[in-house]
Amino acid sequence: GQQLNQSPQSMFIQEGEDVSMNCTSSSIFNTWLWYKQDPGEGPVLLIALYKAGELTSNGRLTAQFGITRKDSFLNISASIPSDVGIYFCAGQPGGTSYGKLTFGQGTILTVHP
Amino acid sequence: NAGVTQTPKFRVLKTGQSMTLLCAQDMNHEYMYWYRQDPGMGLRLIHYSVGEGTTAKGEVPDGYNVSRLKKQNFLLGLESAAPSQTSVYFCASSYSGRSYEQYFGPGTRLTVT
Repeated sequence: GQQLNQSPQSMFIQEGEDVSMNCTSSSIFNTWLWYKQDPGEGPVLLIALYKAGELTSNGRLTAQFGITRKDSFLNISASIPSDVGIYFCAGQPGGTSYGKLTFGQGTILTVHP
Repeated sequence: NAGVTQTPKFRVLKTGQSMTLLCAQDMNHEYMYWYRQDPGMGLRLIHYSVGEGTTAKGEVPDGYNVSRLKKQNFLLGLESAAPSQTSVYFCASSYSGRSYEQYFGPGTRLTVT
């Protein structure tokens, strides 16, 4: 099936630093989404992107739908301790429907106070 | 408004035993999904449903069955559990107009010994 490569796998940063992570695919995706998962809980949707080149913000989070439609980026500015968790990218491959998503392996974010 | 709820939260089974996981949503969503999450592999779709009385296979359906007799409920069954089914199971739902924006439950941690 479709594969999403998410990087980095983990990040250790100091509070106040900015964070960048990305997701790439070998094939085109029509929709990109970013989720965050806190320990012991289910993923929560952060940002959804529907158009190539789209740049969308949600508070300190900004995500972009790559122009090639094969990648997406998530930036977190001025990180705080509650940003700790696993961040997943997810996408809808071209030709699929009914909300079927492919997920990346996740980026584990640790923020040191 | 409870969103998506899952029962039970934890379960330990012996190989060969059967069990049913229950997912309920109170958002009147048409679409519902079952995923499994294993370390380093993101979330993988097991089965999904686009409406009451309908189900379809996802990426990893073998060893699982599902039923959607009521719009608000989606059941996942394991007829003969195997150690390879040790995982965390998440249910999600979405409405048809924005099917990729999925709302997740808190998860069920299943261990098969």
